[in-house]
Amino acid sequence: GIQVEQSPPDLILQEGANSTLRCNFSDSVNNLQWFHQNPWGQLINLFYIPSGTKQNGRLSATTVATERYSLLYISSSQTTDSGVYFCAASRNNAGNMLTFGGGTRLMVKP
Amino acid sequence: SQTIHQWPATLVQPVGSPLSLECTVEGTSNPNLYWYRQAAGRGLQLLFYSVGIGQISSEVPQNLSASRPQDRQFILSSKKLLLSDSGFYLCAWSGPSLSSPLHFGNGTRLTVT
Repeated sequence: GIQVEQSPPDLILQEGANSTLRCNFSDSVNNLQWFHQNPWGQLINLFYIPSGTKQNGRLSATTVATERYSLLYISSSQTTDSGVYFCAASRNNAGNMLTFGGGTRLMVKP
Repeated sequence: SQTIHQWPATLVQPVGSPLSLECTVEGTSNPNLYWYRQAAGRGLQLLFYSVGIGQISSEVPQNLSASRPQDRQFILSSKKLLLSDSGFYLCAWSGPSLSSPLHFGNGTRLTVT
C-alpha cells in the first residue's frame, strides 16, 4: 500500500511565527487531505487537496502530485494552532480509505 | 448542516467483556461511514468502512466487527475485549463521491483493564 511520511515529527513555535509542514507519499494519489487534531482529540478536516493550492484564513496547502508531496503552511501562528497535524492519502478508487502519516506535533508558545 | 455523533466519549471495560460503540450522522443521506482507531502515539488505522446498509468491509483482521443497520448508523462491536483493544476509536463519514472530504466524530477513548 501507499506510504505517507510527515516531517518534522515535532515543532515548537513562538506565537506569531510561520511554519511549513511537509507530507511525502510513495505513490500517485487522487485523494490527499490535511487534518488538525486538537489537544482534546477532536480531528478537524482542514483541506481536501489532491492537487493545486488552497487557502483558508491563516492556513494554506499545496500539493504537487507529480512530485509526491504536499505542504501545509501556517502563518502568524496562535496558541490555538497547537495539536497534531495529519496528512492522509489514498490512490486509485480507494476514496476515503485513507492511509495516515505519523503526524506533526505542533506546540505554539505564547 | 451535517453532524456526526459518537458515544460514549470514554469507556473503561474489563477484559472479556462485550463492546458496542455507536455512531450516527445527521443532515445527509447515503454517507460512506468509517471506523478508525488511534493507538497510543499518533497514527490512525482504518478498521471498517461501509458504502451502504449491511455493506461492511474490513481492512484489518481483529477482534472487532462492525454493522450498519440503518443508513446513518454505524456500530462497532466486540464479543470479548482484549487488552490490545484499548485505544481511541473514531467514527467518520463522507459523501458517496470518491472525492468527498472525510469528517470525524469526537471519538471514544476505550480502556480495557
